Order: sequence, then structure tokens, then C-alpha cells
Amino acid sequence: EVQLLESGGDLVQPGGSLRLSCAASGFTFSISAMSWVRQAPGKGLEWVSSISGSGISIFYADSVKGRFTISRDNSRDTLWLQMNSLRAEDTAVYYCAKDSQVGGYNMHWGQGTLVTVSS
Amino acid sequence: DIQMTQSPSTLSASVGDRVTITCRASQSISSWLAWYQQKPGKAPKVLIYKASSLQSGVPSRFSGSGSGTEFTLTISSLQPDDFATYYCQQYNSDSTFGQGTKVEIK
Repeated sequence: EVQLLESGGDLVQPGGSLRLSCAASGFTFSISAMSWVRQAPGKGLEWVSSISGSGISIFYADSVKGRFTISRDNSRDTLWLQMNSLRAEDTAVYYCAKDSQVGGYNMHWGQGTLVTVSS
Repeated sequence: DIQMTQSPSTLSASVGDRVTITCRASQSISSWLAWYQQKPGKAPKVLIYKASSLQSGVPSRFSGSGSGTEFTLTISSLQPDDFATYYCQQYNSDSTFGQGTKVEIK
């Protein structure tokens, strides 16, 4: 059974940094494309970033480009999202997702972790 | 960037009703479209991928159609478990979600 467990969400001040983690199990992580998708309180879904199984191909939404960095460690079955220069509009639940393929749809989702950016 | 527009934003329906939700893309996305169901406080769950393929384990009352710029999600006979918010997603170029359609009890 595919399991994705996010952690690292917290309250952080504007301009601050945070790193989210996603621990994966139940599938071959090293060949699986992965994504981060977020959802602001009471709002819809917004794609944030995706990474191929090898980590070579990486994609970002314009809203986070230059501030967020997606990475993975296939030896630890772990996905990360490093978030810098955080803004109030980055406040959201962040979901980790296993993709059908690079550039595919989000087949499996974690339960999410809440990031709140506020002074 | 590709924009996705869903209609309606809210839909009131009764158990047993046939329900249709529409999603329009700002440019052609071929059939690279997925539909998700989300319940309050829960992660989304994929229902349909590649516009009309039913994800394993999803009841057959859900179906999808369309290609190019216009797509529909149909629930043939609405069940109590189906009251939720539904999102379309294009994955032809990066990824964009529609704004969501909330299906409420009439």
C-alpha cells in the first residue's frame, strides 16, 4: 500500500524558511515522479513543484520559482521541499503526491502538513 | 500558462440525481486531464485520468469525457458518499487545477 507522510509544517514569520519532508513507502520510490501541491485555507488546489525519479527533471510553478527547492534522497525514500523567503500567501496545507509519470497526474496523496506564514 | 475553468462553482443535487460538471481549458490539452474528489479535511482522491479512464477502485457511476478544451465529469446516480468538492487538473503543460465544484445536498 502506498503511504506518504508529510512533516515539517509550522508557524513561520514572513521572510523565513522552512523545510518540508515526505516519507514514502509501499512502492519503488526511486523510479517514481513526485510532486508538491498546496491548498490555502478555504481555497482550491495549486500545483507547486514536481521532480522525476532520478531527480534530474525538476519543475516549479511561477509563484514559487526562485524561492522553493524540491529535492529527493532515493536511498532514504524521502522527498523534500525547501521553502525560503516565505510570504503570507504561502500559507497552506502542503500535500506530497506520487505521480503517474513525469508530467502526469497525482495518483496518491499524503495527508498534508500545514504551513502558516504570519508575524 | 493554461487556465482551467470549472462550472458550476456549486451544485445542489439529491441522491439518485445525474450530475454533470464541466471543465474548460484556455488552450488545447489533448486528453491530459484528471478529475479529483476532495472531502473536508482530507486529501484529494483521483477519480478519472486521461479524460475518460477510470482510476482503479473508483465506482463505475463516475465517468469522464471530452478532449481538446472541453471536458465533463458525470456521476450517473449521486450517492450520499459523493457530496464533496470536485477538481479538474490539466497535466499537458506543468499542472493547473480548476477552481473546484462543490456538490451539496439539495
